Amino acid sequence: GNSVTQMEGPVTLSEEAFLTINCTYTATGYPSLFWYVQYPGEGLQLLLKATKADDKGSNKGFEATYRKETTSFHLEKGSVQVSDSAVYFCALSDRTSGTYKYIFGTGTRLKVLA
Amino acid sequence: EPEVTQTPSHQVTQMGQEVILRCVPISNHLYFYWYRQILGQKVEFLVSFYNNEISEKSEIFDDQFSVERPDGSNFTLKIRSTKLEDSAMYFCASRGTGRQETQYFGPGTRLLVL
Repeated sequence: GNSVTQMEGPVTLSEEAFLTINCTYTATGYPSLFWYVQYPGEGLQLLLKATKADDKGSNKGFEATYRKETTSFHLEKGSVQVSDSAVYFCALSDRTSGTYKYIFGTGTRLKVLA
Repeated sequence: EPEVTQTPSHQVTQMGQEVILRCVPISNHLYFYWYRQILGQKVEFLVSFYNNEISEKSEIFDDQFSVERPDGSNFTLKIRSTKLEDSAMYFCASRGTGRQETQYFGPGTRLLVL
């Protein structure tokens, strides 16, 4: 079945450091891919998405490129801020089910130190 | 900007009691979902709902669970007889029409079963 694998956290970085959070997927066909962010005490907010191979999603300085060859959708940011501290979830939309339900990775907690 | 809302934000209940979690999806959305996140674990799909009926459910969604759209705005998840292992964060999500795959999540209800 479809699945998403995310790198284990927590990830601790200093402010202005470069961020990479790895995400790989297994899927039948070519699902849409998403990154969601969960700030402390809040719900899941869409950060960015990509719907087909080679698409790059971007938002708030974050980027991720849909790589079909490596079945990956790694999240990157060139310079993190303290306010980026949150839990980041990679997810795919399961097109095979017809309901487009999401399958999530385990989430990666990011802590940015001033 | 339209958003998904959920009530209550927190609920504490005794084992064996019934609970109803409420959600108000975005008003013109047609597809509705419930997910749950047990503390420290990944977000898991429970059920999807479209056109007043369940379109898909996971193996977690057993006979103790039910969903309903009692009116034009609310979408509820009922757990008939709660168990300790039902303690989790429950997220409601909705999406628009057809191929609009992006789901919008509510802030969640944290359920604690004692």
